[in-house]
Amino acid sequence: EPEVTQTPSHQVTQMGQEVILRCVPISNHLYFYWYRQILGQKVEFLVSFYNNEISEKSEIFDDQFSVERPDGSNFTLKIRSTKLEDSAMYFCASSVNRGGGSTDTQYFGPGTRLTVL
Amino acid sequence: AQSVTQLDSQVPVFEEAPVELRCNYSSSVSVYLFWYVQYPNQGLQLLLKYLSGSTLVESINGFEAEFNKSQTSFHLRKPSVHISDTAEYFCAVSGGYNKLIFGAGTRLAVHP
Repeated sequence: EPEVTQTPSHQVTQMGQEVILRCVPISNHLYFYWYRQILGQKVEFLVSFYNNEISEKSEIFDDQFSVERPDGSNFTLKIRSTKLEDSAMYFCASSVNRGGGSTDTQYFGPGTRLTVL
Repeated sequence: AQSVTQLDSQVPVFEEAPVELRCNYSSSVSVYLFWYVQYPNQGLQLLLKYLSGSTLVESINGFEAEFNKSQTSFHLRKPSVHISDTAEYFCAVSGGYNKLIFGAGTRLAVHP
């Protein structure tokens, strides 16, 4: 069964460093998402991406964050200058479509745990 | 704005007992509702969803949830749980076309 994969599973970085979290969505999916979950808190939406551009982003997704689909398979989240409060589990998701129909189920990857020291 | 409240952060239960995980939502527009499950060290997996039609939806592993518009609820139930059901369960509502809005999660702990 196809699945969303994410690398690395755990990333440790120093405050102020840049990190890139990588995701490989399911191959025929067109919509891509990043969510994060700070320890003990809710899973929060960060950004959605379609047709090589951001279609929606939350207030969390400030100028420190960027997303990219550099090739036909990868979808990346870059944090330019990490802060302590960026420590969280980051989940990538993908879907065929959007809007609530039967084909818009979001499939999630296993997550990348980011620890900022 | 849409929001989701999961009323219980932890639910301990004995094996073969029934369980209900509660979820309430708020929304000013029509909603689509989801339950996701997260097993230890794994990603979020869709358990079941309500889009339209019958208000009772079922999953393949015996869970069911009922959409109750008047009570703005989407509680998850299972008549008899197994040890393997131990996981964290997240209720979510679609907020707009793209994003899912999640509740805080309920940790279900099934004891022998």
